[in-house]
Amino acid sequence: DTAVSQTPKYLVTQMGNDKSIKCEQNLGHDTMYWYKQDSKKFLKIMFSYNNKELIINETVPNRFSPKSPDKAHLNLHINSLELGDSAVYFCASSQSGSGRHYRDTQYFGPGTRLTVL
Amino acid sequence: DQQVKQNSPSLSVQEGRISILNCDYTNSMFDYFLWYKKYPAEGPTFLISISSIKDKNEDGRFTVFLNKSAKHLSLHIVPSQPGDSAVYFCAASSYDKVIFGPGTSLSVIP
Repeated sequence: DTAVSQTPKYLVTQMGNDKSIKCEQNLGHDTMYWYKQDSKKFLKIMFSYNNKELIINETVPNRFSPKSPDKAHLNLHINSLELGDSAVYFCASSQSGSGRHYRDTQYFGPGTRLTVL
Repeated sequence: DQQVKQNSPSLSVQEGRISILNCDYTNSMFDYFLWYKKYPAEGPTFLISISSIKDKNEDGRFTVFLNKSAKHLSLHIVPSQPGDSAVYFCAASSYDKVIFGPGTSLSVIP
């Protein structure tokens, strides 16, 4: 009964491929997020999403796109993978909807380690 | 452009002593601060937070201090326990963003 789950845990793929990472939360939260933890260990927010709005960090390439089939899921699709996409990707969720969610406690998934060869 | 800095990549402390982890921020618009703890191969978990209207918040062995004029916060863990060994992330937030620091790896030596 993991609160925030991600699959797969590890993903190894070739440059140029398209891949997806799935995320599910069973907390009933309104907002979900994707983070990238790069080689320098910084956790950088990529997207925040609730049923009203998608907020994209302007530094994220448009090869990355979040897809939310419902409130409990926020999947990350990555097209034309590049070497620099290798990182650990974390999904997270928080209770509030838009307006104050950045101040909310976030609940993180275990991470997906993506390696692009 | 690091808006949130944790200048000590690592810290070692003896069990039972105090651990002090520091965090500095540059943007005066940040008004809410959180600390997260991360074990290897797991996601970060929330530890403690503080609003900018306070200068101290305490939860058991964990206390966070905020010095707004210095744009500095610190996390105190007393007494430190071996299970506290983890990476600690400071996060600063405002109405439109949350920024995480690079983390400090704490080792508590038995």
